Amino acid sequence: EPEVTQTPSHQVTQMGQEVILRCVPISNHLYFYWYRQILGQKVEFLVSFYNNEISEKSEIFDDQFSVERPDGSNFTLKIRSTKLEDSAMYFCASSVDPGRVAFFGQGTRLTVV
Amino acid sequence: KQEVTQIPAALSVPEGENLVLNCSFTDSAIYNLQWFRQDPGKGLTSLLLIQSSQREQTSGRLNASLDKSSGRSTLYIAASQPGDSATYLCAVLTQGGSEKLVFGKGTKLTVNP
Repeated sequence: EPEVTQTPSHQVTQMGQEVILRCVPISNHLYFYWYRQILGQKVEFLVSFYNNEISEKSEIFDDQFSVERPDGSNFTLKIRSTKLEDSAMYFCASSVDPGRVAFFGQGTRLTVV
Repeated sequence: KQEVTQIPAALSVPEGENLVLNCSFTDSAIYNLQWFRQDPGKGLTSLLLIQSSQREQTSGRLNASLDKSSGRSTLYIAASQPGDSATYLCAVLTQGGSEKLVFGKGTKLTVNP
């Protein structure tokens, strides 16, 4: 069964550093998403991406964050100048369209120290 | 602003019991509702998706119902098994072109052998 793949599974970074989280969405999906879940909190939407551009973003997704689809398969989330409060599980998801089932990856646990 | 609430926050039952998990949402103008399963430290697995025009969806021992006008959904699990132990999340996609899923905090289910 096709699946969304995320790497790395765990990333530890020092405060102020930049990190890139990587995702390979399901190949025939057109919409890609990033969500995050701070420990003990709800899963919250960060950004959606369609046709090589951001289609929707939340208030969390400020200039510190950026997304890119550098080639035909990868979808990345870059976080600049990481802060302690960026520590969370980051989930990538993809779907054929927003009204269809969203498939989530296993997540990348980001720990900022 | 859409808010999703799930009760109870945690539930512990003996194996074999039938159980109901509840989800409520504040804005009834939804496009669809999805139930997800999350295992500790893992990603989200979609269990059932109910379109706004549907009343229920079934998959194996799982049955999800939707009452859009009252802003409620329930997930019914029949003949629970220890393998059903996980956190169950409810998420809604609101009408109006938004692409983001709004999640509840989840119900942590423990099925005791």
